[in-house]
Amino acid sequence: QKEVEQNSGPLSVPEGAIASLNCTYSDRVSQSFFWYRQYSGKSPELIMSIYSNGDKEDGRFTAQLNKASQYVSLLIRDSQPSDSATYLCAVNTNKIIFGKGTRLHILP
Amino acid sequence: GAGVSQTPSNKVTEKGKYVELRCDPISGHTALYWYRQSLGQGPEFLIYFQGTGAADDSGLPNDRFFAVRPEGSVSTLKIQRTERGDSAVYLCASSLTPGDYTEAFFGQGTRLTVV
Repeated sequence: QKEVEQNSGPLSVPEGAIASLNCTYSDRVSQSFFWYRQYSGKSPELIMSIYSNGDKEDGRFTAQLNKASQYVSLLIRDSQPSDSATYLCAVNTNKIIFGKGTRLHILP
Repeated sequence: GAGVSQTPSNKVTEKGKYVELRCDPISGHTALYWYRQSLGQGPEFLIYFQGTGAADDSGLPNDRFFAVRPEGSVSTLKIQRTERGDSAVYLCASSLTPGDYTEAFFGQGTRLTVV
């Protein structure tokens, strides 16, 4: 089993709708979780970090963590065309490990 | 510096040659990571430094790959006898401290092409 798993997509969402991105991880001792956004040809950019069970909101972004289910998600409200990118889930298991990423396409 | 700096931004080399990729982390960041990213994939972990020492080098694919960080700041990733399969974007990231609750910030990457 891969350490961090994401659906590769592409996930197509109409402009203004909510985009929901999901990630599962295998190491139960992981304590910190991150979402990065990567535009084509660019390096990953940190957009959210979450350490405790529950929700964490930052503007249009909400990260959700459920350690019992080993599941972390990212919700993007009021999706904009500029949100079209690959979203990488990362988990700190003594080192930071990334999933393959989910390609998100916001339809104008 | 203001951000993580990687040089060169692009490197084309012939199969069998030796290359060095440089990473200058954010000032004061003690943890430094190297990743490799192929097209359509997430960053693949290579090696992680805490200060001068390699805390985890389990991601280095074989003994052709080596990395150093002699003064706990700048790091160099060294690849000997390059192969075409080494072609990828090599990403460096740094974080303020090692440990669980750290956020890592990336440089712009070095695109390595082995011809």
